[in-house]
Amino acid sequence: GQQVMQIPQYQHVQEGEDFTTYCNSSTTLSNIQWYKQRPGGHPVFLIQLVKSGEVKKQKRLTFQFGEAKKNSSLHITATQTTDVGTYFCAGPKGSGGGADGLTFGKGTHLIIQP
Amino acid sequence: DTAVSQTPKYLVTQMGNDKSIKCEQNLGHDTMYWYKQDSKKFLKIMFSYNNKELIINETVPNRFSPKSPDKAHLNLHINSLELGDSAVYFCASSRGLVADTQYFGPGTRLTVL
Repeated sequence: GQQVMQIPQYQHVQEGEDFTTYCNSSTTLSNIQWYKQRPGGHPVFLIQLVKSGEVKKQKRLTFQFGEAKKNSSLHITATQTTDVGTYFCAGPKGSGGGADGLTFGKGTHLIIQP
Repeated sequence: DTAVSQTPKYLVTQMGNDKSIKCEQNLGHDTMYWYKQDSKKFLKIMFSYNNKELIINETVPNRFSPKSPDKAHLNLHINSLELGDSAVYFCASSRGLVADTQYFGPGTRLTVL
């Protein structure tokens, strides 16, 4: 079945340092989504990438979708304590019909040391 | 107004008991889901419903039975609870279109003693 792999599992950074998490799918994806889960919270949608090679920015966050639509990355510039949490990538399950849900990566836990 | 709500937020119970978790969304979405998040934060889909019809039933023990009385509600009933059922259960909804954004509820932390 479809697998979505994410690395690293944990990342410790000093506040102000950059952070990157990488996502790879075993199959070509129609799109990829990124979610953030704060400690004790629930996953919250950040962004969706659809086009091959797409790059999107949200303030200090930069998201990329690979040319083959099988990999993606999230880069945070100059991390702040508010960035703490777990970042998940997710791809459509099955044929991509909305009701099929998403296959999530195992997440990258970002820990920031002040 | 909360878009996706779940009750209860916490549930502590003994092995062998039966319990239910309720979920409601006021977003007008057609599709609702149940996800299980284990202690390592791994999120896995359990069920999805589209307009009250079961679409996905992943490899989940038949002790878990979802019910959707209408498209705004999706409940999860669990029979004969086991220690391994301890996890956080998230309800989510989406418009149901191809690969649409999922809106998650706050989660129910289930602890089986």
